[in-house]
Amino acid sequence: DTGVSQDPRHKITKRGQNVTFRCDPISEHNRLYWYRQTLGQGPEFLTYFQNEAQLEKSRLLSDRFSAERPKGSFSTLEIQRTEQGDSAMYLCASSPLQGGPLHFGNGTRLTVT
Amino acid sequence: GQQVMQIPQYQHVQEGEDFTTYCNSSTTLSNIQWYKQRPGGHPVFLIQLVKSGEVKKQKRLTFQFGEAKKNSSLHITATQTTDVGTYFCAGGDYKLSFGAGTTVTVRA
Repeated sequence: DTGVSQDPRHKITKRGQNVTFRCDPISEHNRLYWYRQTLGQGPEFLTYFQNEAQLEKSRLLSDRFSAERPKGSFSTLEIQRTEQGDSAMYLCASSPLQGGPLHFGNGTRLTVT
Repeated sequence: GQQVMQIPQYQHVQEGEDFTTYCNSSTTLSNIQWYKQRPGGHPVFLIQLVKSGEVKKQKRLTFQFGEAKKNSSLHITATQTTDVGTYFCAGGDYKLSFGAGTTVTVRA
């Protein structure tokens, strides 16, 4: 079990730039989640995939955010025209079961200057 | 939408003492999960409770799911420095809603 892998670990970008993060879930897990966490808060749900299908996207997520999981394996999260309010830790998690435990990666910390 | 609230937000504990953290939901939950996040780390799954009134123990940690399945608690006995971190409860089916967590610090 290699665990959930996220890349990069840290990203500093200027406001208005686009950024893309990658997540490699545990290989047997067909469910993949993206969460966002800010200081002093719990993880906030962003979106969810079952295999390659994106089944839900948070209403809180603006159109600047898009996620893909093209072959049902790794996933990417893109943020276009970044804003300072996008600064946060972006966590990816995978699970083998609906409603089952989430296995989180180490996250990508985004800082927008 | 579903909201999960946790109290207290901070818990400062003397090593060796016991404490309890509480989790409350605005809606009935199909299950409740607890996670621990060490400083600088990512959330790590601790346990899942499914049945009304269910109680589960992991060494010094005791987890309880309320009869109405709208609240849960985590009780830690004889706190150790290894218990430092933030404890989150989370509820939901396929989409977990996390509380804001209880951050635990331990005085040696």
